[in-house]
Amino acid sequence: DIQMTQSPSSLPASVGDRVTITCRASQSISIYLNWYQQKPGKAPKLLIYTTSSLQNGVPSRFSGSGSGTDFTLTISTLQPDDFATYYCQQTYKTPCTFGQGTKVEIK
Amino acid sequence: EVQLVQSGAEVKKPGESLKISCKASDYSFISYWIAWVRQMPGKGLEWMGIIYPADSDTRYSPSFQGQVTISADKSINTAYLQWSSLKPSDTAMYYCARPQSTSWYHGMDVWGQGTTVTVSS
Repeated sequence: DIQMTQSPSSLPASVGDRVTITCRASQSISIYLNWYQQKPGKAPKLLIYTTSSLQNGVPSRFSGSGSGTDFTLTISTLQPDDFATYYCQQTYKTPCTFGQGTKVEIK
Repeated sequence: EVQLVQSGAEVKKPGESLKISCKASDYSFISYWIAWVRQMPGKGLEWMGIIYPADSDTRYSPSFQGQVTISADKSINTAYLQWSSLKPSDTAMYYCARPQSTSWYHGMDVWGQGTTVTVSS
């Protein structure tokens, strides 16, 4: 299996901050890296697919970059609605493994 | 509206069997893969497996191979996840999800509401 490692696991931040979450794959996954947001009691929501494509309806303050094994999700200006847990997922090959999650919480 | 609607919460005893469902609507069910994702209480997302309803081609995560069975009935646009003998460690929320394209490469944009499974004696 391809292992996905996110950092940090927890990220205290304030409204207005620029936030960056990283995700590293145990082998090259080309551009097949997706990012999800999950809020308590809700299903995950797709934010970014294939590294940098913004899902329809997702605010432009979210962006993704990277290739190969190293990827980042950036929130340019953190909004109150953005406090949540974020997961990366590789879809290069099955099993399509997730990272362990990064919880963005109020500082 | 494209939707996946899952069956309701289940409370079972260890050793019992269970089959939960995920009914698709407003899209061509046979044209898209459907995945199952586990989330244990307070934990992260785990990809369990995926099925292509047109021909029932199924891929399992090694972590779940032999522990669960994924199936689909294309006549009623429904995917299933089943256990033959539940364990307390199967207690979790289970989501079905559909990739946004006809391959699985581009992420899953449609999710069911989740089915809570509780296994306790």
